[in-house]
Amino acid sequence: EIVMTQSPATLSVSPGERATLSCRASQSVSTKLAWYQYKPGQAPRLLIYGASTRATGIPARFSGSGSGTEFTLTISSLQSEDFAVYYCQQHDNWPPVTFGQGTKLEIK
Amino acid sequence: EVQLVESGGGLVQPGGSLRLSCAASDFTVSSNYMSWVRQAPGKGLEWVSVLFTGGKTYYTESAKGRFTISRDSSKNTLHLQMNSLRPDDTAVYYCARDVSRTSWPYWYFDLWGRGTLVTVSS
Repeated sequence: EIVMTQSPATLSVSPGERATLSCRASQSVSTKLAWYQYKPGQAPRLLIYGASTRATGIPARFSGSGSGTEFTLTISSLQSEDFAVYYCQQHDNWPPVTFGQGTKLEIK
Repeated sequence: EVQLVESGGGLVQPGGSLRLSCAASDFTVSSNYMSWVRQAPGKGLEWVSVLFTGGKTYYTESAKGRFTISRDSSKNTLHLQMNSLRPDDTAVYYCARDVSRTSWPYWYFDLWGRGTLVTVSS
């Protein structure tokens, strides 16, 4: 089973600034990496798949990069609605697919 | 509106059973690869099980032999039968739709429900 590790656990950023979230895989997943946004009480939302492809309807301020074992989600200019928990998920080696523990993005 | 709505969660004693349901709207469950994913309190997301369009199923190791995923095409609903429940099964359970509309799943999910809480405690 591939272990996904996200850092930091909590990130404090001011609105309008850039946020950079990291995800590391315990072995290579090529570019089979997805990112989700989660807000309590809501359904998780797919942001990025294939490491860098934005899902339908996702604003351009969200971008993903990386390959192999190191990945990054960047939010270029934080809006109030972006403060949430973000999860990465590898979709290369299955079953099981595996998720990171999440990064909570909070307002500074 | 395309959506998933879970139900059936609740408080159950260790060793007990629960059956979760996930009702789909505006798309056909049997034509999609459907998974259950859970989130234990304070923990990350954990994939639990998948039901392929052709009927094949997979489970995470801890669910094998205890959980059964199925669908009711007449009601356009996905189910998860959970037996021999343990305290570490306590979690919010989400159903999720694979993005694939082809002959093989892509293993990431473009539609999720809001979840149903399962608490296993005496």
